[in-house]
Amino acid sequence: AQSVTQPDIHITVSEGASLELRCNYSYGATPYLFWYVQSPGQGLQLLLKYFSGDTLVQGIKGFEAEFKRSQSSFNLRKPSVHWSDAAEYFCAVRGFGNEKLTFGTGTRLTIIP
Amino acid sequence: NAGVTQTPKFRILKIGQSMTLQCTQDMNHNYMYWYRQDPGMGLKLIYYSVGAGITDKGEVPNGYNVSRSTTEDFPLRLELAAPSQTSVYFCASSRTDSPLHFGNGTRLTVT
Repeated sequence: AQSVTQPDIHITVSEGASLELRCNYSYGATPYLFWYVQSPGQGLQLLLKYFSGDTLVQGIKGFEAEFKRSQSSFNLRKPSVHWSDAAEYFCAVRGFGNEKLTFGTGTRLTIIP
Repeated sequence: NAGVTQTPKFRILKIGQSMTLQCTQDMNHNYMYWYRQDPGMGLKLIYYSVGAGITDKGEVPNGYNVSRSTTEDFPLRLELAAPSQTSVYFCASSRTDSPLHFGNGTRLTVT
């Protein structure tokens, strides 16, 4: 069965500092990987996705993620965070031809001035 | 385009009452999903559909029912509401092997 682990429940970062959110997945074949962001009281917005090809993918709002098959990881990064990045971030995995998207438990990001 | 629209946004139910959460999408997506979100638990899949007339259970289907009579609509039915069903419910849709598009959610409280 597919699964996703986000080991950090809550991360606090100073505005302007760099950010890395961790994601590890379990899936028997080549996965499709996603990062979604959720602002309070809102639905989920797609930040970026990995389907195949270049393992470093760029997303919206200056985010990027790197797929590392050997480590079963898909960590999200941003070189310099802004106060508006405060939100909850979810990593998710899905397989080719597999309809179900499985989510991690999320990482809440707090930005301090 | 409206995308994925969920109604209502908020609802309070008494134990044992029933209700239907509505979801409609205007993107002609074949896949539709219902997730529930509980604090610290991420999103859990309740039911999904790969096309009109076809539905299947997800991780947490007990206490819920769905139907998919059209491509656009995927209502979620709670027959006998229980406090354990207090949650935020999200509907989503997608094309095959494409990212999911989410609605803004329905916050349900059962007391």
